[in-house]
Amino acid sequence: AQKVTQAQTEISVVEKEDVTLDCVYETRDTTYYLFWYKQPPSGELVFLIRRNSFDEQNEISGRYSWNFQKSTSSFNFTITASQVVDSAVYFCALSEAAGGGNKLTFGTGTQLKVEL
Amino acid sequence: DAGVIQSPRHEVTEMGQEVTLRCKPISGHNSLFWYRQTMMRGLELLIYFNNNVPIDDSGMPEDRFSAKMPNASFSTLKIQPSEPRDSAVYFCASSLRDRLAAEQYFGPGTRLTVT
Repeated sequence: AQKVTQAQTEISVVEKEDVTLDCVYETRDTTYYLFWYKQPPSGELVFLIRRNSFDEQNEISGRYSWNFQKSTSSFNFTITASQVVDSAVYFCALSEAAGGGNKLTFGTGTQLKVEL
Repeated sequence: DAGVIQSPRHEVTEMGQEVTLRCKPISGHNSLFWYRQTMMRGLELLIYFNNNVPIDDSGMPEDRFSAKMPNASFSTLKIQPSEPRDSAVYFCASSLRDRLAAEQYFGPGTRLTVT
């Protein structure tokens, strides 16, 4: 069975600090997909990134970067120079190719609070 | 382009009443998902459809819950009879299933309160 663990329940930082959100996954599949979603206080879930298991290249998008390491089954998310607007709950999710690859298993989320 | 549309955004009902939640997926998307979010259980997949056909409903909590997708642009999630423990935010999401594990786009959710 697949599982996603986000051990950090809540993180508080001061604006402009860098912050890393951890995500550890478990799967028996060799082909799988990892995602990050953002849930701001308004409640909607916003897609941030999708990564497949064959692509271990790190990705950078503006102040966001993702570090995928198969050796440690981790897919960590770093926000550089955090801003108040980054305050949200961030979810990591996993989808296995078996069964059509449609089902997402979410972690429990990390609440990020960025303060002035 | 319009995103996933859900209605109503908020629903307050009394125990025992029937509740119907509605979803319009993104035009052209062929997979649709219903999720439930609670503090206790987090985000749970209830059911998903591919090309209007239910594929996996193993997450539906019990027979009181049912979902339909009569066409590519509309889906409903019905709870009958509703109970207080059904109180949650219900999300609908859609994706374009032209490849494995395409990203899902979520609607704004329906906050259901059953008293």
